[in-house]
Amino acid sequence: EPEVTQTPSHQVTQMGQEVILRCVPISNHLYFYWYRQILGQKVEFLVSFYNNEISEKSEIFDDQFSVERPDGSNFTLKIRSTKLEDSAMYFCASSPGTEYSRTEAFFGQGTRLTVV
Amino acid sequence: KQEVTQIPAALSVPEGENLVLNCSFTDSAIYNLQWFRQDPGKGLTSLLLIQSSQREQTSGRLNASLDKSSGRSTLYIAASQPGDSATYLCAVKAAGNKLTFGGGTRVLVKP
Repeated sequence: EPEVTQTPSHQVTQMGQEVILRCVPISNHLYFYWYRQILGQKVEFLVSFYNNEISEKSEIFDDQFSVERPDGSNFTLKIRSTKLEDSAMYFCASSPGTEYSRTEAFFGQGTRLTVV
Repeated sequence: KQEVTQIPAALSVPEGENLVLNCSFTDSAIYNLQWFRQDPGKGLTSLLLIQSSQREQTSGRLNASLDKSSGRSTLYIAASQPGDSATYLCAVKAAGNKLTFGGGTRVLVKP
């Protein structure tokens, strides 16, 4: 069964460093997303991406964050100058392209980011 | 702004009992509602998707209902098993293309 793959599963970084979280969405899906879950809190939306551009972003997704689809398979989230409060589980998700509003979102296993 | 609430936050039942998990949302103008399972420290596994036009969706021992007008969904898990122990999340898709999640219900099924 096709699945969304995220790497690494766990990343520890020093405050102020840049990190790149990687995702391989399900092939033939056209919508890609990043969500995050701070420990003990709700899963919250960060950004959606379609047709090589951001289609929607939350107020959390400020200039510190960027997304990219560098090739036909990968989807990345870059966090510049990480802060302690960026520590969270980051989830990548994808959904098919037709009738995006009605389709199921498939999530990866997450990358646990710890900023020290 | 859409708010999603799940009650109770935690639930403990003996094996074999049916589970009833509740989800409520404030804005009834949704496209669909999705139920997920999350094991500790793991990702989100999609269980069921209910479109806004549907009242019910079933998969094996799982049954989810949707009452859009009252802003409620219920996930029923029949004949619970210890392997059903996990956190169950509901999420709604409304305007835009993002999911808004509830806080989850942590379920423990005791053998």
